[in-house]
Amino acid sequence: SQQGEEDPQALSIQEGENATMNCSYKTSINNLQWYRQNSGRGLVHLILIRSNEREKHSGRLRVTLDTSKKSSSLLITASRAADTASYFCATDEGAQKLVFGQGTRLTINP
Amino acid sequence: EAGVTQSPTHLIKTRGQQATLRCSPISGHTSVYWYQQALGLGLQFLLWYDEGEERNRGNFPPRFSGRQFPNYSSELNVNALELEDSALYLCASSPGHRTQYFGPGTRLTVL
Repeated sequence: SQQGEEDPQALSIQEGENATMNCSYKTSINNLQWYRQNSGRGLVHLILIRSNEREKHSGRLRVTLDTSKKSSSLLITASRAADTASYFCATDEGAQKLVFGQGTRLTINP
Repeated sequence: EAGVTQSPTHLIKTRGQQATLRCSPISGHTSVYWYQQALGLGLQFLLWYDEGEERNRGNFPPRFSGRQFPNYSSELNVNALELEDSALYLCASSPGHRTQYFGPGTRLTVL
């Protein structure tokens, strides 16, 4: 079953612009993670935010978590062509099982 | 440090056959996870192995099975293949905390 639901499903922006993706989930979580997938290949871990954290930064990435609304957002600033990929949120409900959303397909146009 | 490796990269089988997929975790990682990414269905959790034991299983039929070896590498076996088993199978490893590190995947095509 899918827990996280990403929004939008697809996003196309110009290089240099900021990209924001949202994720909503249904149940209580221990943490929420964001992953990137390039063209049907393996997933790359981007960032983990714990349930008691509200915001986290890593380079050009900024993640927020609102547990009261059961939602998270991923902001990529100053986008580059290499950021073109699918982005997934994954929630950790315990028992070492990650539950992934359907993903947001991000396209950066030069 | 070498990442998670998976073999083969591509696998083509016919309906009813068996498929074996292999995964080598990052050195020092004791947990291995398997996920299925089928078109239109997203990433679905399959199995979790830790210290040689199956610890958790997703909502998949028993013909999906696997094992973890003493060196922590893992095999995923899919018996009696069906067309809908065509997917990208991803393996991930973890040293015990929540972050999972993924391999490049094995693309299984069932004809």
